Amino acid sequence: QVHLVESGGGVVQPGRSLRLSCAASGFTFSDYAICWVRQAPGKGLEWVALISSDGTHKSYADSVKGRFTMSRDNSKNTLYLQMNSLRVEDTAVYFCAREVLDSYYFDYWGQGTLVTVSS
Amino acid sequence: EIVLTQSPGTLSLSPGERATLSCRASQSVSSNYLAWYQQKPGQAPRLLMYGVSNRATGIPDRFSGSGSGTDFTLTISRLEPEDFAVYYCQQYGSSPLTFGGGTKVEI
Repeated sequence: QVHLVESGGGVVQPGRSLRLSCAASGFTFSDYAICWVRQAPGKGLEWVALISSDGTHKSYADSVKGRFTMSRDNSKNTLYLQMNSLRVEDTAVYFCAREVLDSYYFDYWGQGTLVTVSS
Repeated sequence: EIVLTQSPGTLSLSPGERATLSCRASQSVSSNYLAWYQQKPGQAPRLLMYGVSNRATGIPDRFSGSGSGTDFTLTISRLEPEDFAVYYCQQYGSSPLTFGGGTKVEI
């Protein structure tokens, strides 16, 4: 059974950093691209970043480019999102989601981790 | 960037009724690469449809998708109590990936 479990969320001051993790199980992690999608409180979904199955290709939304870095450790079945220079507008629940092979839509999602950026 | 506009914002219906949700794109969605997701409060999104009209695994056939180009529709033929949720469309034909703002289907 496919599972994605996010962790690392919390309350952080503007300008500080936070690293999120997404632990995967129940499938061959190294075969799949994974993305991060966030949802501000009471708002809709926003795609944040995507990383290819082997970690060599990454893409980011303009809103986070240059501040967020996505990486993965296929030996640990874990995905990371390093978030630097955090802003109040980055406050959201962050979901990791598995991409359907070579398709850019997402069939399994984690339950999310809440990041609150506040002074 | 392709902007997806969903309408209506809220749809108030009763169990057994038909729901018709619209997703309009600011430009043509490449190869009809459009998906729909369902999200209930406090839960992660759930994939319903991909490629406009293909149901994801385990999705009942009361859900159907149609459309092409810039206009897409998700139809729920007869609402069940568990269908009351927020629905999002997503285009994956061009970068950046984008989602619509959502339609809430409420009782």
